[in-house]
Amino acid sequence: AQSVSQHNHHVILSEAASLELGCNYSYGGTVNLFWYVQYPGQHLQLLLKYFSGDPLVKGIKGFEAEFIKSKFSFNLRKPSVQWSDTAEYFCAVTQMDSSYKLIFGSGTRLLVRP
Amino acid sequence: TAGITQAPTSQILAAGRSMTLRCTQDMRHNAMYWYRQDLGLGLRLIHYSNTAGTTGKGEVPDGYSVSRANTDDFPLTLASAVPSQTSVYFCASRPWGDSGPYEQYFGPGTRLTVT
Repeated sequence: AQSVSQHNHHVILSEAASLELGCNYSYGGTVNLFWYVQYPGQHLQLLLKYFSGDPLVKGIKGFEAEFIKSKFSFNLRKPSVQWSDTAEYFCAVTQMDSSYKLIFGSGTRLLVRP
Repeated sequence: TAGITQAPTSQILAAGRSMTLRCTQDMRHNAMYWYRQDLGLGLRLIHYSNTAGTTGKGEVPDGYSVSRANTDDFPLTLASAVPSQTSVYFCASRPWGDSGPYEQYFGPGTRLTVT
């Protein structure tokens, strides 16, 4: 079974700082990768996704992620965070079986101080 | 469009009681999912359905049952609630296809407390 690891459980940054959240997955075959964001009290929203093509993908709100196949990684980046980016971020990979379920990492809680 | 709606928003339930969490989507997606979210564990799949009339078990199915009578609705039933089922429950859907990305769309969640 696939697994997803997010190494940073809690991150605290000041506004305008750069952000990089790590994500590693275990599956060696074709992957569909996602970053979801959950703002306080809200449901999950898709930030960006990758399944083929350019390994550098751009999402909403200035976020981007780079798929590095050799490192089994899909790290999320943002050059300059804002207070409104305070949220929990989840990396996920599709399990390529009959369910096509999402395997989620445990999440990273980001607090951006104004 | 509303996307995915879930009801109730929150609920306090006595242990041993039964409850059905409702999920309805208006996107005509074939596949639907139920996840539970617990602190430090991310989201874990309870049950799924690839199309109306079919269901499958996820990672943590014990104590839960689902049905899929039509495309739009995917209710989750707790037959006899236990405190360990205290969680936030998210319903999700995905358009069926043979190629990716297999993106899922999430509902607003139901916060359930079993006392």
